[in-house]
Amino acid sequence: KAGVTQTPRYLIKTRGQQVTLSCSPISGHRSVSWYQQTPGQGLQFLFEYFSETQRNKGNFPGRFSGRQFSNSRSEMNVSTLELGDSALYLCASSLASYQETQYFGPGTRLLVL
Amino acid sequence: AQSVSQHNHHVILSEAASLELGCNYSYGGTVNLFWYVQYPGQHLQLLLKYFSGDPLVKGIKGFEAEFIKSKFSFNLRKPSVQWSDTAEYFCAVNANAGNNRKLIWGLGTSLAVNP
Repeated sequence: KAGVTQTPRYLIKTRGQQVTLSCSPISGHRSVSWYQQTPGQGLQFLFEYFSETQRNKGNFPGRFSGRQFSNSRSEMNVSTLELGDSALYLCASSLASYQETQYFGPGTRLLVL
Repeated sequence: AQSVSQHNHHVILSEAASLELGCNYSYGGTVNLFWYVQYPGQHLQLLLKYFSGDPLVKGIKGFEAEFIKSKFSFNLRKPSVQWSDTAEYFCAVNANAGNNRKLIWGLGTSLAVNP
């Protein structure tokens, strides 16, 4: 089985711009979770999607949003980028719940200038 | 607020030394506990998990962890480390707190094993 894939792998944006990141889960996995990883804050949970619905949400501002398509692929959008949004964004998929084993993608490294 | 604390940020060991990485969490209710590992250049992957039952959990590559409920701890152990264990280790806790369940992560421990 192919693993979790994320595109793009690297991204450079400037403040005020918006960005969309994509995640393709492992075939058959219906739960997709997104995380922000930074050296100072570690891994922070953004949100989880299941069957095209946001099921859980972390403590991030509304500039961070996401969606999931019928094929379980997910996108994450960040609007009005700030310098502090520079981070590695990880996507993880699991069969039905983030409580199960999660399989992580390689991440998208976002740099905001 | 729930939190996860990993005591050591950086650990350096020689091969064959014993390893114990600490993980404590702050939440009084039912929890599910995980250790994930990220080897250099690779994705995060599950090392072991505890949901219920025997508090001593065995994972891949000879790792084990013990859940001590009274101490709110889930420490990771390995009796004899190898150079290939060099990696970053993350403890995560799923606190089943009402409708807003989420996985809370520690900041990670970077382990370097010298050959």
